[in-house]
Amino acid sequence: DTGVSQDPRHKITKRGQNVTFRCDPISEHNRLYWYRQTLGQGPEFLTYFQNEAQLEKSRLLSDRFSAERPKGSFSTLEIQRTEQGDSAMYLCASSQHTSLETQYFGPGTRLLVL
Amino acid sequence: DAKTTQPNSMESNEEEPVHLPCNHSTISGTDYIHWYRQLPSQGPEYVIHGLTSNVNNRMASLAIAEDRKSSTLILHRATLRDAAVYYCILRDVVQGGSEKLVFGKGTKLTVNP
Repeated sequence: DTGVSQDPRHKITKRGQNVTFRCDPISEHNRLYWYRQTLGQGPEFLTYFQNEAQLEKSRLLSDRFSAERPKGSFSTLEIQRTEQGDSAMYLCASSQHTSLETQYFGPGTRLLVL
Repeated sequence: DAKTTQPNSMESNEEEPVHLPCNHSTISGTDYIHWYRQLPSQGPEYVIHGLTSNVNNRMASLAIAEDRKSSTLILHRATLRDAAVYYCILRDVVQGGSEKLVFGKGTKLTVNP
């Protein structure tokens, strides 16, 4: 257990539905990252926050995806109008404030869109 | 982002050393070499990192070539719990650079009992 938790661990939804995932980082970490991982591939970066500010977003983060970290603690990732191609593992990671600090990953939320 | 190349898979026997190679011929002077691993059904976890000199920690050793164009992660005595996908990642230390980790496909290590 790295101290990063994600909820839910598994989600099955029907195409077109909205889903929201939550990540609770290690409490003293001010950086929080979201990644997506499809079968057989390494994780791909989606976005990252420093405190409550979203500082970088990948081109993978289409307008159906939105992430928030309202109080600089937990974060949510919402996917609207889900598509089958959104099926993947969504990973959250956190790190301390300095560059190159180790990123600690949560167990992930596995999404299946039917 | 500078690219790394790793073998798709490797096999080892339990309690034997494992050398996992990584090529990064386009590495820049400010790139650190990081290794993460991902056990089945878990998120990635940090293993080790280095810049120029060889590094050791409780999990592994990292041997970096003199020209820094390649590196090798060494597990001194593989255990069944070391079976995982190992990722070699370059991270730029330049301030203002991207914070993200860029994962390739990694090397899937199988450890035989």
